[in-house]
Amino acid sequence: SAVISQKPSRDICQRGTSLTIQCQVDSQVTMMFWYRQQPGQSLTLIATANQGSEATYESGFVIDKFPISRPNLTFSTLTVSNMSPEDSSIYLCSSRGLNTEAFFGQGTRLTVV
Amino acid sequence: GENVEQHPSTLSVQEGDSAVIKCTYSDSASNYFPWYKQELGKRPQLIIDIRSNVGEKKDQRIAVTLNKTAKHFSLHITETQPEDSAVYFCAASPNTGFQKLVFGTGTRLLVSP
Repeated sequence: SAVISQKPSRDICQRGTSLTIQCQVDSQVTMMFWYRQQPGQSLTLIATANQGSEATYESGFVIDKFPISRPNLTFSTLTVSNMSPEDSSIYLCSSRGLNTEAFFGQGTRLTVV
Repeated sequence: GENVEQHPSTLSVQEGDSAVIKCTYSDSASNYFPWYKQELGKRPQLIIDIRSNVGEKKDQRIAVTLNKTAKHFSLHITETQPEDSAVYFCAASPNTGFQKLVFGTGTRLLVSP
């Protein structure tokens, strides 16, 4: 199994600022993903983080708002840019090896004031 | 793209009863179907999964069934216990490409003593 460390675990940010969330996996994995989970809601995929190339974004999510980096097979970052209160949510990092189960980080609870 | 529907949204049972949660998916290319349990404030944890070459899988009190023709799969929990209380998410994924997971809307299960 993979162990995923995600930080920060929570943050309160001013509107208009940006927050970068880090995700570290303890082993090399093929795929890394970023999800958003609104309170009481399901997990919505933001993007697939591709190693060494631009992330693949889902409909409704754009690179300017959610830039993602993945410099190697074990690390990725998600930035939430120019934040507004609507960005308040839990952001989850996930990793998955080829044809294996997906694991999740503990999440980052973001509150924008 | 894939769309996963999940029912019911809430389910209340007495301890010792069985609980059944159902999901349907739209993309016939999906061939991997995991179920996750998420306790309040925690990360989603895999409880059981099934691949499309299998019709049923059991793990102690938990079982999952898959009907590929009808594109639906179900989670069965027998002899429920209060510690089974949580939100359960189904998901679907192809085993090709990015292998991203698309989640259902979730079922809040409450097991009363």
